Amino acid sequence: AQSVTQLDSQVPVFEEAPVELRCNYSSSVSVYLFWYVQYPNQGLQLLLKYLSGSTLVKGINGFEAEFNKSQTSFHLRKPSVHISDTAEYFCAVSDYYNTDKLIFGTGTRLQVFP
Amino acid sequence: DAGVIQSPRHEVTEMGQEVTLRCKPISGHDYLFWYRQTMMRGLELLIYFNNNVPIDDSGMPEDRFSAKMPNASFSTLKIQPSEPRDSAVYFCASSLFLWGGPDKPQHFGDGTRLSIL
Repeated sequence: AQSVTQLDSQVPVFEEAPVELRCNYSSSVSVYLFWYVQYPNQGLQLLLKYLSGSTLVKGINGFEAEFNKSQTSFHLRKPSVHISDTAEYFCAVSDYYNTDKLIFGTGTRLQVFP
Repeated sequence: DAGVIQSPRHEVTEMGQEVTLRCKPISGHDYLFWYRQTMMRGLELLIYFNNNVPIDDSGMPEDRFSAKMPNASFSTLKIQPSEPRDSAVYFCASSLFLWGGPDKPQHFGDGTRLSIL
């Protein structure tokens, strides 16, 4: 079975600073990886996904993530954050043989301060 | 594209009452998912349907929970009787084919915030 660990429940950062949100996964088979963002009182929106190919994935709103198979990680980064990036971010995994289901991490709350 | 529509947005009711949450998926989507989000447990998949048929309900917490999808444009999640520990935000999501071959991610509704007193 797969599992996802988001190491930080909250990440405070000042506007225009870089940020990294950490995600580690566990699986005995090949996986697909995702980052979703949830703004207050809204549902989740897909930021980016890794299916195959290049390990560096670019998503919407200037975010990118790098798949590292040896470290079983899929950390999310942005070089310069905005106030509007304040939200909850979820890492999710789906295994290669059971792609119907997504397993979500517990989320990381990114708080951007002026 | 209207997106996934959930109703009600907020529900407050007393313990023991029946609660019905509703979801209208995006037209043409084959998969529908129900999730529950709490501070303690994060986002949990409760059940999902493919072409109106329940595929996996292993995440449904207990017999008090039931879900139906009578047609391709409507699904309900029912809790009877409700308990305070059921308080959470319940999300519905839909997708075309699987969760997301290229450009086919799960689309989430805005959720129903349920409070059981």
